[in-house]
Amino acid sequence: DADVTQTPRNRITKTGKRIMLECSQTKGHDRMYWYRQDPGLGLRLIYYSFDVKDINKGEISDGYSVSRQAQAKFSLSLESAIPNQTALYFCATSETRLAGTDTQYFGPGTRLTVL
Amino acid sequence: AQSVSQHNHHVILSEAASLELGCNYSYGGTVNLFWYVQYPGQHLQLLLKYFSGDPLVKGIKGFEAEFIKSKFSFNLRKPSVQWSDTAEYFCAVGRGGSQGNLIFGKGTKLSVKP
Repeated sequence: DADVTQTPRNRITKTGKRIMLECSQTKGHDRMYWYRQDPGLGLRLIYYSFDVKDINKGEISDGYSVSRQAQAKFSLSLESAIPNQTALYFCATSETRLAGTDTQYFGPGTRLTVL
Repeated sequence: AQSVSQHNHHVILSEAASLELGCNYSYGGTVNLFWYVQYPGQHLQLLLKYFSGDPLVKGIKGFEAEFIKSKFSFNLRKPSVQWSDTAEYFCAVGRGGSQGNLIFGKGTKLSVKP
């Protein structure tokens, strides 16, 4: 979905390096999420943000940090990358409504390899 | 803790065969239910969703799912699969209201042989 973009799309880095993955959206949604996908494990939530001042840890936040620079931008950082952070990372957005609040729209993903 | 179980890791079918992928969840309150599809090399796309009303939900590309509250299930079905349905399918559950977060199952990979 072109409304949610992620950069870079692919990244190879070395153990110990700091990496930032960026997500931008033009959908006007207030909620943004970061997931990682590993084969056989599905999607696991790393962090989520319900608005610019509201950031929450997800299921697997250790080793990651995030920054919500604006409503449209949500960055994920790996402070010191390690090989088991090799995965496909997805950003997603959703909007707040009385009903149907949970439909999430995904970006194209960033494939990160940590050597 | 809330969880979502998808019974099959990998399903292999021939074209025109019928499909049913199982999904069960473990939350007793009001839920919102989703099926997402991920085609090879692509991101997740919404296939269908259930929030309330008719428990039989129709989605895109001929897919449908039935919410059976007593069984905590939301199985995905398609009467006749095509080679282009080859993808990974994810069931997801969100708590009712405005919680926002989804819990995803581990996914079922579907391979359709031409």
